[in-house]
Amino acid sequence: DQQVKQNSPSLSVQEGRISILNCDYTNSMFDYFLWYKKYPAEGPTFLISISSIKDKNEDGRFTVFLNKSAKHLSLHIVPSQPGDSAVYFCAARGDPSGNTPLVFGKGTRLSVIA
Amino acid sequence: IAGITQAPTSQILAAGRRMTLRCTQDMRHNAMYWYRQDLGLGLRLIHYSNTAGTTGKGEVPDGYSVSRANTDDFPLTLASAVPSQTSVYFCASSMSGPRDTQYFGPGTRLTVL
Repeated sequence: DQQVKQNSPSLSVQEGRISILNCDYTNSMFDYFLWYKKYPAEGPTFLISISSIKDKNEDGRFTVFLNKSAKHLSLHIVPSQPGDSAVYFCAARGDPSGNTPLVFGKGTRLSVIA
Repeated sequence: IAGITQAPTSQILAAGRRMTLRCTQDMRHNAMYWYRQDLGLGLRLIHYSNTAGTTGKGEVPDGYSVSRANTDDFPLTLASAVPSQTSVYFCASSMSGPRDTQYFGPGTRLTVL
């Protein structure tokens, strides 16, 4: 059973507009969430994260929102730029012992159209 | 070198052959991981190691083995490759364990015919 779900395989957004990428999770033990960005032929790179004690974290054009009651988080990119075109992976961690690896979603491919 | 390196960059392999994918990091990270990325399936964890000398199984470990003789190296071996192991393989590392940010290598594209 997928514990981290990214239900939209792809998303197209006009340059300058807002991109919203969604992620749902099922395990209430998850206490930290991360977004990774991946360009073709490169490894994923860390983008932004949020702890479960917060509901928002902002870093420049990127903001992550967490709704714990709905077990839902979203990544907002404002304004979107062509260079943001990539695959975005949502990931979660939450093993109290800290020894269980991250759980990744299947990814959402974002295309920002100039 | 700085970060994580993987070798080879790409490889075409006949089914039944043995293959070892290499991964080296110079960040003195304790934890290392191997993922495979397949279209529509995202990143799936194969094996991981929280510290030198220990390893653990991930979501899709069958057909793969790993060893962690030292901090820097984490090779992934396919004892007898099968076409379903055609994928892009990523190695990653994190400072102290799974609760830390992971840093990924550039990947190895493997094709098994």
